[in-house]
Amino acid sequence: AQKVTQAQTEISVVEKEDVTLDCVYETRDTTYYLFWYKQPPSGELVFLIRRNSFDEQNEISGRYSWNFQKSTSSFNFTITASQVVDSAVYFCALSELKTGANSKLTFGKGITLSVRP
Amino acid sequence: DAGVTQSPTHLIKTRGQQVTLRCSPKSGHDTVSWYQQALGQGPQFIFQYYEEEERQRGNFPDRFSGHQFPNYSSELNVNALLLGDSALYLCASSLGLLQYQETQYFGPGTRLLVL
Repeated sequence: AQKVTQAQTEISVVEKEDVTLDCVYETRDTTYYLFWYKQPPSGELVFLIRRNSFDEQNEISGRYSWNFQKSTSSFNFTITASQVVDSAVYFCALSELKTGANSKLTFGKGITLSVRP
Repeated sequence: DAGVTQSPTHLIKTRGQQVTLRCSPKSGHDTVSWYQQALGQGPQFIFQYYEEEERQRGNFPDRFSGHQFPNYSSELNVNALLLGDSALYLCASSLGLLQYQETQYFGPGTRLLVL
């Protein structure tokens, strides 16, 4: 069975600090996808990034970067130079490839990030 | 480009009643998934519809049912409401390509309160 663990529950930083959100996952499949979503107080889940299990190359996109390590089953997400607008709940999610349909997403419990001015 | 829309935004029901939630997918998407998010928790998968059929189902009782229409929009029905059904119900849409995991895009959700 799939499982996503986000051990951090709440993180508070001062604006312009860098912050890393941790995610550890469990899956028996060799082909899977990992995602990060952001949920502001409005409630809508906003897609941020995705990675497939074949591509461990870490990338940077603007102020976002991610570190995918299959050896430790981790998919950590970093926000550089945080801003107040980054305050939200961040979810890591896992899906396994299913023939014939998009697979369901399995979410962690989320990390509440507060960025203080 | 219209995103995922859901209606209503908020709903209050009493125990035992029935409720119907609606979702219109993002333009160009043909697959709709429904999730339940209890307060302080991550979303839990309810079921997914593609080509007007339920393709996958999570660990939810038969009181939860759904439907997908020819225009790809979808409904979630919950019968015999329980207090524990109070949650944010999220709809996600994606493009149902075979053997490829498309990103799911979420709507703003419907907040259901059962009294």
